[in-house]
Amino acid sequence: EAGVVQSPRYKIIEKKQPVAFWCNPISGHNTLYWYRQNLGQGPELLIRYENEEAVDDSQLPKDRFSAERLKGVDSTLKIQPAELGDSAVYLCASSLEWTGTPYGYTFGSGTRLTVV
Amino acid sequence: GQQLNQSPQSMFIQEGEDVSMNCTSSSIFNTWLWYKQEPGEGPVLLIALYKAGELTSNGRLTAQFGITRKDSFLNISASIPSDVGIYFCAGPFHLQGAQKLVFGQGTRLTINP
Repeated sequence: EAGVVQSPRYKIIEKKQPVAFWCNPISGHNTLYWYRQNLGQGPELLIRYENEEAVDDSQLPKDRFSAERLKGVDSTLKIQPAELGDSAVYLCASSLEWTGTPYGYTFGSGTRLTVV
Repeated sequence: GQQLNQSPQSMFIQEGEDVSMNCTSSSIFNTWLWYKQEPGEGPVLLIALYKAGELTSNGRLTAQFGITRKDSFLNISASIPSDVGIYFCAGPFHLQGAQKLVFGQGTRLTINP
């Protein structure tokens, strides 16, 4: 079974440019998460989807970040315009469902973004 | 703010040594999770703890859920080179109106062969 697939693996862009990350969750997983991991820190949740609905985007910087999960499967996370402080690893994860207890989370390998 | 505090931040040990790391919080957690992250990969779940006082093993790894529900530790016995990585504790926490999984800042383990 394929795991959570993310692309690209690495991205280097100049500040003020737009960037997009793509995630394909494990087949059948209804819940999808985007996390940001700054250097030397643990991952922090940006947004959680239940099927195609964003049910928790309280930590997503909405002035420059946007996300979508059309048809409740693949998802994209976009930053426009990127700032130097956005340099981080962006991780996607999926699970069968969110029941309040994290179980069965599978993370992708992440996209390492460098903004110069 | 940081809900979970891990210590030590980094460890440098010899192959074969035992390792101990812990995670503390000022808040009560009902679930404690331990993840390992290798370079260029996402975190992978090692052990899940669901009851205060619970002691769970996974091969050479042993983790315990503290009685106060505010701490947990992870032990690795007889370390080997493939144990290298960053170990994170995590747990569900109510933050900004929703339950979400929060992570500590990690303990980086380096092993000298």
